[in-house]
Amino acid sequence: NAGVTQTPKFRILKIGQSMTLQCTQDMNHNYMYWYRQDPGMGLKLIYYSVGAGITDKGEVPNGYNVSRSTTEDFPLRLELAAPSQTSVYFCASSYTAFGEQFFGPGTRLTVL
Amino acid sequence: GQQLNQSPQSMFIQEGEDVSMNCTSSSIFNTWLWYKQEPGEGPVLLIALYKAGELTSNGRLTAQFGITRKDSFLNISASIPSDVGIYFCAGQFMSGNTPLVFGKGTRLSVIA
Repeated sequence: NAGVTQTPKFRILKIGQSMTLQCTQDMNHNYMYWYRQDPGMGLKLIYYSVGAGITDKGEVPNGYNVSRSTTEDFPLRLELAAPSQTSVYFCASSYTAFGEQFFGPGTRLTVL
Repeated sequence: GQQLNQSPQSMFIQEGEDVSMNCTSSSIFNTWLWYKQEPGEGPVLLIALYKAGELTSNGRLTAQFGITRKDSFLNISASIPSDVGIYFCAGQFMSGNTPLVFGKGTRLSVIA
């Protein structure tokens, strides 16, 4: 049981490039989330999903897109990377709505 | 967006000392969660609280859900070096299936 896995672990992007952060969970959780964590700050919700085919915006969705075609996968897409998107990104999942969330190890993204 | 006030921001303590940290909110929560994050890792759930006044222990950790529903504290007894990390509180509003709100974290350093 791997839990929540994220790839890649690190990435450096140039301004304007695009990329997809991958997230997979093997716990059969319906609820999945993407957060960003800036230095010295707590976690801010970017997008979340309550099940396959259903996604919704969180607190800071601008500049990101998500999709949820399967229960297991919840990729996060950056279309035009900007320096303000330099952060650590965490994917999480839970069995109940916004309940006890299990986090992946994170993706550290730098945009130069 | 709504913020949780988590204090202290950082703590330096001697090994063996007890630690106390807390979170307060101006809004009523129906769930309080405490997470620990170690360097380079995602947050890991320590304790979940669901009822006002609830006191729950997990080994040397004890957390309580405040009676007013607007605060929670986490205590660590007899600290050891592996307690080092960032501790986050997170809460969910009374209004239902709303996203968790995270505090900014308490950075704990333990001096052997």
